[in-house]
Amino acid sequence: AQRVTQPEKLLSVFKGAPVELKCNYSYSGSPELFWYVQYSRQRLQLLLRHISRESIKGFTADLNKGETSFHLKKPFAQEEDSAMYYCALRSGKSTFGDGTTLTVKP
Amino acid sequence: DAGVIQSPRHEVTEMGQEVTLRCKPISGHDYLFWYRQTMMRGLELLIYFNNNVPIDDSGMPEDRFSAKMPNASFSTLKIQPSEPRDSAVYFCASSHRGPLREKLFFGSGTQLSVL
Repeated sequence: AQRVTQPEKLLSVFKGAPVELKCNYSYSGSPELFWYVQYSRQRLQLLLRHISRESIKGFTADLNKGETSFHLKKPFAQEEDSAMYYCALRSGKSTFGDGTTLTVKP
Repeated sequence: DAGVIQSPRHEVTEMGQEVTLRCKPISGHDYLFWYRQTMMRGLELLIYFNNNVPIDDSGMPEDRFSAKMPNASFSTLKIQPSEPRDSAVYFCASSHRGPLREKLFFGSGTQLSVL
């Protein structure tokens, strides 16, 4: 069975500080992993996916198969990054983690 | 395309009433997902369809919940009878075939309150 774990429900950092949102997964096959973001009063939207190895809004995420992790990182957090972040694993259906609420304080 | 369209945006009902949530996926998408979001449990997959056929409904909480997809452009999630613990935001999402099919497009959600 596939499973996604985000150990932190809440994460608070100051503007300009580095931020890392943790995600661990369990899946027997080769995973397709994503990060989704939900800003206040907006719909859930894709932030980035591991397969494209892209950087979106300064965020990056590296798939570490040895540690079965897909942590989301940004070197300098901005106030507009405050949102709910979901890590997801896709194999037919999509399994989401419980989400992490990031608050970036001024 | 207007994206995934859900209706209603808000629903307030009394316990015991039937609730029907509606979703119109993006044209051409062959996967449709229903999710429920709560503060306590985060985002939970309830059921998903592929080419209008239910593939996995193991996330449906109980028999009070049912979902249908009579055609490629419409799906419903029904709760009968509704209970206060069903209060949540219900999201519909769709994805399309081809190399980009793994990306989900979400609707705006239906905020359900059961009193």
